[in-house]
Amino acid sequence: DTAVSQTPKYLVTQMGNDKSIKCEQNLGHDTMYWYKQDSKKFLKIMFSYNNKELIINETVPNRFSPKSPDKAHLNLHINSLELGDSAVYFCASSLTAGRAPNEKLFFGSGTQLSVL
Amino acid sequence: GENVEQHPSTLSVQEGDSAVIKCTYSDSASNYFPWYKQELGKRPQLIIDIRSNVGEKKDQRIAVTLNKTAKHFSLHITETQPEDSAVYFCAASRAQAGTALIFGKGTTLSVSS
Repeated sequence: DTAVSQTPKYLVTQMGNDKSIKCEQNLGHDTMYWYKQDSKKFLKIMFSYNNKELIINETVPNRFSPKSPDKAHLNLHINSLELGDSAVYFCASSLTAGRAPNEKLFFGSGTQLSVL
Repeated sequence: GENVEQHPSTLSVQEGDSAVIKCTYSDSASNYFPWYKQELGKRPQLIIDIRSNVGEKKDQRIAVTLNKTAKHFSLHITETQPEDSAVYFCAASRAQAGTALIFGKGTTLSVSS
């Protein structure tokens, strides 16, 4: 059983299109994240949700809109895709951000987004 | 906010040698320091972590040390093997609501046999 699953694994699209990436976790975690990994492998936090509530929103263009219908799901919608959006997007989850000691992140397998 | 610096960016060793990767952090309130390993085309996976009330932690061939005063922590891999080749990331967080793990820029470790 996959703990954190995201779809699609690969996404190739044209500039200007709108696309979505879906993420689901079956770990019972209440915090989920989106990280972006660029071509230099840098992992940068984009968003974090705790129990469907947005708690972290880093400096990300407002073309990116996360949505969490419930605490097991966190989707990422991207409008008007640009060349610079090409990257690997990782979903992750953890058990209760804000209560130590367990902050271990469980990552999904990533979505390779290529904007042509 | 937190800023994590990681060095070196690339590291090449011979099989059997030791490898050391160092990180510094800026936020003195950070209290959780994990290390993740990412193999080519795969997801990052936790290999070891340490909390601020501990100075050193070992798990077989890997160990992590933490110096809170200097705000730096290090990953030590002994008796390296080719399967240790990967990108290693350090990270830091306050482990509190409204925060997330902030990662270093990664170290690409190559172990040659």
